[in-house]
Amino acid sequence: GPKVLQIPSHQIIDMGQMVTLNCDPVSNHLYFYWYKQILGQQMEFLVNFYNGKVMEKSKLFKDQFSVERPDGSYFTLKIQPTALEDSAVYFCASSLGGGALQDTQYFGPGTRLLVL
Amino acid sequence: SQLAEENSWALSVHEGESVTVNCSYKTSITALQWYRQKSGKGPAQLILIRSNEREKRNGRLRATLDTSSQSSSLSITATRCEDTAVYFCATDAGSNNRIFFGDGTQLVVKP
Repeated sequence: GPKVLQIPSHQIIDMGQMVTLNCDPVSNHLYFYWYKQILGQQMEFLVNFYNGKVMEKSKLFKDQFSVERPDGSYFTLKIQPTALEDSAVYFCASSLGGGALQDTQYFGPGTRLLVL
Repeated sequence: SQLAEENSWALSVHEGESVTVNCSYKTSITALQWYRQKSGKGPAQLILIRSNEREKRNGRLRATLDTSSQSSSLSITATRCEDTAVYFCATDAGSNNRIFFGDGTQLVVKP
């Protein structure tokens, strides 16, 4: 089936540094999402992105977070500067159509971020 | 507060048995989806059931939805070891853009 790739699979970074998480979505998909999952806790929505714009973001999507997808390349999540509480697994997802559950979201395997 | 939650932390069955995972939610929805997440992987969609549907099947999987009690169930028949995973329900809570996940139920299928 359709695959979403995430690079890197793991990242260890010192607090205060910048990190960029990369997502290679399904090729013809138009809607892109980031989710955050702390170990043992539920997956939480961060942001969704369509047509070059943030459609909706949650309160977890702090000012230090930004997303972009320049020229159809990777869909990225940048955190600058990082904080200890940013340690989590970040999942990217993409879908052809929008509307939350109206179209299937395909998830990547996640990037495990550890902020020291 | 959680808008969707599964009713069991963990379940364990032997291969070949049937199992049901339950989920309750707190707001009106347009759809509910069941996902499976295997260790080290991202979630994978299993079944999408819309608010005007009562039951949906996908192979060995059967999902039900009861909007009056705001609950859903996912049943797996003839379980296999490879069904071992965390099972999540997720709702849109009427949102057009975001999904709200439950904590998940860890299912272990033993040989």
